[in-house]
This record gives sequence, structure tokens and C-alpha cells, in this order.
Amino acid sequence: KQEVTQIPAALSVPEGENLVLNCSFTDSAIYNLQWFRQDPGKGLTSLLLIQSSQREQTSGRLNASLDKSSGRSTLYIAASQPGDSATYLCAVNQGAQKLVFGQGTRLTINP
Amino acid sequence: DAMVIQNPRYQVTQFGKPVTLSCSQTLNHNVMYWYQQKSSQAPKLLFHYYDKDFNNEADTPDNFQSRRPNTSFCFLDIRSPGLGDAAMYLCATSRDRTGSHEQYFGPGTRLTVT
Repeated sequence: KQEVTQIPAALSVPEGENLVLNCSFTDSAIYNLQWFRQDPGKGLTSLLLIQSSQREQTSGRLNASLDKSSGRSTLYIAASQPGDSATYLCAVNQGAQKLVFGQGTRLTINP
Repeated sequence: DAMVIQNPRYQVTQFGKPVTLSCSQTLNHNVMYWYQQKSSQAPKLLFHYYDKDFNNEADTPDNFQSRRPNTSFCFLDIRSPGLGDAAMYLCATSRDRTGSHEQYFGPGTRLTVT
């Protein structure tokens, strides 16, 4: 059974810092991995999708990497801003588009 | 422009009183999903529709049902809500079930059971 773990569970950093969020998964037989952002009480916003054949994807200040063989992905956020404060979730697609989510990392950017 | 729309955004129901949550999409995607997310937990897939083909997760309680009358709409019915069913319910869509496509999520419906 696939298990997805995100470390740390919570992170607080000063504005302007670069930071890395971690995601690990136990079964490397995945189709893709998706990073989401969730604001309190809201739905999920897709940030980046990495296919299993890809090593990384970039969107603006965000860069996600995938090492399928070791079961790891990272989300790098450059020059963090208070508006980046949210919970970040990673999810792996195991086929039939069934996503298995991690518990999330709650990120706080302090002005 | 909203692509996945959920109504209502907040729903309060009484213990045991049936409730229906609604999801609609403007993306013309083949697949629609319902997830349950309890407080501070990861979203958990309840079931999904691939076109008209319903796919239930093995551990989804019988209390939860779904209908998809057409491509655009999908409903989640909770026949007899219990206090443990209080959660955020998230609807998502994807173009198809092959591995390459993103899932797009709606804003969610927060269900309170009194």
C-alpha cells in the first residue's frame, strides 16, 4: 500500500528566504506526482505536475524535483513571500488517476 | 473563470438527515472524483466516475453514494450523516484516467453535522 510522507509538518521562515519542502513515497510505481497548495478552508490549487519520466518542473518561483527510484520529491520555493503561506500537499498518481496524498506541510512566511 | 464549481460552499445538516452536495465542471473532462478531507488530514478518495462508469473505493462506507447524470454534473449523497462525516468534501476532475493528466479541484463544501 502506497504511503506518502511530508516533512516537516510545519515550517515557519522569514520573508525572502528560499525553502524546500519534502515528500517521500514508498512505492516507486507511480505515473506522476502533483504538488498542491491549500489555503485554510479552501480547495486545492495545483502547482506543478511531474510525470514519472521527468526529473523536474518549474513554474515561476517554484521548482519541483522527482527522484522516482528513491521515492522522493522536493518543492523549492525561491524568495518566499507572505502570500506563500498555506499548506502544501504532494500526491502521487498510482494509476487510474487515483491520487494518494501526504498529510501536508503547513508553511508560514513571516513578514 | 471557475472550472470546477461546488455548491453549496457550506452545508449544515442534522444527524441522520440526508444531504446532497453538488459539483459541476466546465472542462468537459471525462473523470470526476469525490474526496473527503477531515480536519488536518490528507484528502481521501471516496469514488470516481469515468464517464458513466462508477468506481467505488473499497473502504468507502455504504452511507456515501454518487450520481453523475451528465458529463458536467456529479452529486455526492450522504444517506444518513453521522457526526464523523463532518469534513470538507472536494470534487476534482481530470481529462481521462491515463497517467499523464492533472486533477483540477473545486473549492470544496464544508459539511457540518449537528
